[in-house]
Amino acid sequence: DAGITQSPRYKITETGRQVTLMCHQTWSHSYMFWYRQDLGHGLRLIYYSAAADITDKGEVPDGYVVSRSKTENFPLTLESATRSQTSVYFCASWGGDSIYEQYFGPGTRLTVT
Amino acid sequence: AQKVTQAQTEISVVEKEDVTLDCVYETRDTTYYLFWYKQPPSGELVFLIRRNSFDEQNEISGRYSWNFQKSTSSFNFTITASQVVDSAVYFCALSEAGSGGGADGLTFGKGTHLIIQP
Repeated sequence: DAGITQSPRYKITETGRQVTLMCHQTWSHSYMFWYRQDLGHGLRLIYYSAAADITDKGEVPDGYVVSRSKTENFPLTLESATRSQTSVYFCASWGGDSIYEQYFGPGTRLTVT
Repeated sequence: AQKVTQAQTEISVVEKEDVTLDCVYETRDTTYYLFWYKQPPSGELVFLIRRNSFDEQNEISGRYSWNFQKSTSSFNFTITASQVVDSAVYFCALSEAGSGGGADGLTFGKGTHLIIQP
């Protein structure tokens, strides 16, 4: 299916565990992004990537690691999950042309117990 | 740095009323882009509109309209004759041309939870 997908859609993990959230897009968009959504904060940018092997920190990068070995995939890893990382995570992609908006995935709801 | 403020945390109106969601932004760029996204209870983010800083014409799409005023740095969203299906969280967002129009990501407001009562 064309578009942007995230997996898993729901995840419960324990404090201290490593967890990876997957994001896959089929448009070959150059740019990809990870946001987290928390009540009272809206969406905040965690990391972004301009192309394969190019990543950069956003507003709230601490505790997260990203990689982008292929254009279509942009996994987000929580190396040692904390309760403060309980959130809804959205992946987005953008083709690089300002006439278009960012396209968002369906989100992953992560609970850290 | 850029900033988006949605001062209305929650608005509740009765169906068929008109409602305006406020959005005020801050940016040092002269070229920038403003967006509105809708997040229904199902959780996905739905794109509504994109506006660049050189286009101050108001936009109307059915019951939705947007008023962009550079003089007050505002990009307000009005729903006319609201319906229960309009109940959602609405986000205003900004990107700057200095970042390529979105390459550095979007800056979001905290969102306005709109409740339309039948």
